[in-house]
Amino acid sequence: DGGITQSPKYLFRKEGQNVTLSCEQNLNHDAMYWYRQDPGQGLRLIYYSQIVNDFQKGDIAEGYSVSREKKESFPLTVTSAQKNPTAFYLCASSTDQQTGNTEAFFGQGTRLTVV
Amino acid sequence: SQQGEEDPQALSIQEGENATMNCSYKTSINNLQWYRQNSGRGLVHLILIRSNEREKHSGRLRVTLDTSKKSSSLLITASRAADTASYFCATALLNDYKLSFGAGTTVTVRA
Repeated sequence: DGGITQSPKYLFRKEGQNVTLSCEQNLNHDAMYWYRQDPGQGLRLIYYSQIVNDFQKGDIAEGYSVSREKKESFPLTVTSAQKNPTAFYLCASSTDQQTGNTEAFFGQGTRLTVV
Repeated sequence: SQQGEEDPQALSIQEGENATMNCSYKTSINNLQWYRQNSGRGLVHLILIRSNEREKHSGRLRVTLDTSKKSSSLLITASRAADTASYFCATALLNDYKLSFGAGTTVTVRA
């Protein structure tokens, strides 16, 4: 089955810890995205990547880091510098937004809670 | 800042009625997309309309785009309980991979 997989579904983090959220896609998509969603809110862009070994900051990149070593994978690390990390994190991929001909496919999300 | 803003924030309708929600945006776009999100899940793409298109249909969905007013509307006809969800518009800018979402409209369809 083609798709985009996020893991884990639920994650608990202690204060001061770094945690990494996994995102894998087998759709052969070039672009990948990380969004944060707070309760009752829309999606805010954290980072996005158009191609392997390249990524761009989104609107709320502070306290987060990413890597794009493989086309299929775009992990997100929530660092201790992120002061309010409790949220629902969504990963997405798409083929080519520049052509305007494509849609984004989303994973099922990771719910991160600070304990 | 978010590019798209949906209106209303919440909508409650009876099964069988139509639901209309609007999206306004700030800058010129390449395309505008509508997504649905069921509670606690990922988003599902519904429809994409390009900047040179004015109207698009997909099943019970009708989307319009008015680039002069920088606005779009999503109409769901003959609503069903399964249409209960949050609906988001997203804009893709020219020569930019960023896909920016609004805050969404929460639709509740009552049986």
